[in-house]
Amino acid sequence: EPEVTQTPSHQVTQMGQEVILRCVPISNHLYFYWYRQILGQKVEFLVSFYNNEISEKSEIFDDQFSVERPDGSNFTLKIRSTKLEDSAMYFCASSKVRGTPTNTGELFFGEGSRLTVL
Amino acid sequence: SQELEQSPQSLIVQEGKNLTINCTSSKTLYGLYWYKQKYGEGLIFLMMLQKGGEEKSHEKITAKLDEKKQQSSLHITASQPSHAGIYLCGAVSTGNTGKLIFGQGTTLQVKP
Repeated sequence: EPEVTQTPSHQVTQMGQEVILRCVPISNHLYFYWYRQILGQKVEFLVSFYNNEISEKSEIFDDQFSVERPDGSNFTLKIRSTKLEDSAMYFCASSKVRGTPTNTGELFFGEGSRLTVL
Repeated sequence: SQELEQSPQSLIVQEGKNLTINCTSSKTLYGLYWYKQKYGEGLIFLMMLQKGGEEKSHEKITAKLDEKKQQSSLHITASQPSHAGIYLCGAVSTGNTGKLIFGQGTTLQVKP
């Protein structure tokens, strides 16, 4: 069964360092997302991406964050200068169709990348 | 903005018992996802409900969507230790980017 894969599964970094989290969405999917979950808290939306551009971003997704689809398969999240509060599980998700409130497409999540900032 | 509230926040049941988890939306609920998560791990897709009144089952888990009540319920019959975990509901938010908003999760423990 096709799945969304994420690397690394766990990364430990020093505050101020740049981090890149990688995702390989399901191959025929067109809509890509990043979410994060601080341990013990809600899963929060970060950004959605379609047709090589950001379609929506949350207030969490500030100038320190960027996303890119450098080739036909990878989808990356970059944090330029990590802060302690960036420590969280980051989930990539993809779907074939754009879900709307009245037409919900299946959204598949990866296993997550745990980021620990020291 | 839309909010999803899950109840109960946590639940401990004896193996073999039935249980229900609810997810209530602050706004009209057209579609809803249910995911399961082991603490600190990824989200496992369980079910997606798209229409009011829709009911889906997978093994011993049944989910229903009640549009009028702006609520979905997840029912587990004859619970097993393998059902233990965190159950999350998610709804597509208004706007056209397909983002989901999530409830805070319901932690289920099943005692053998």
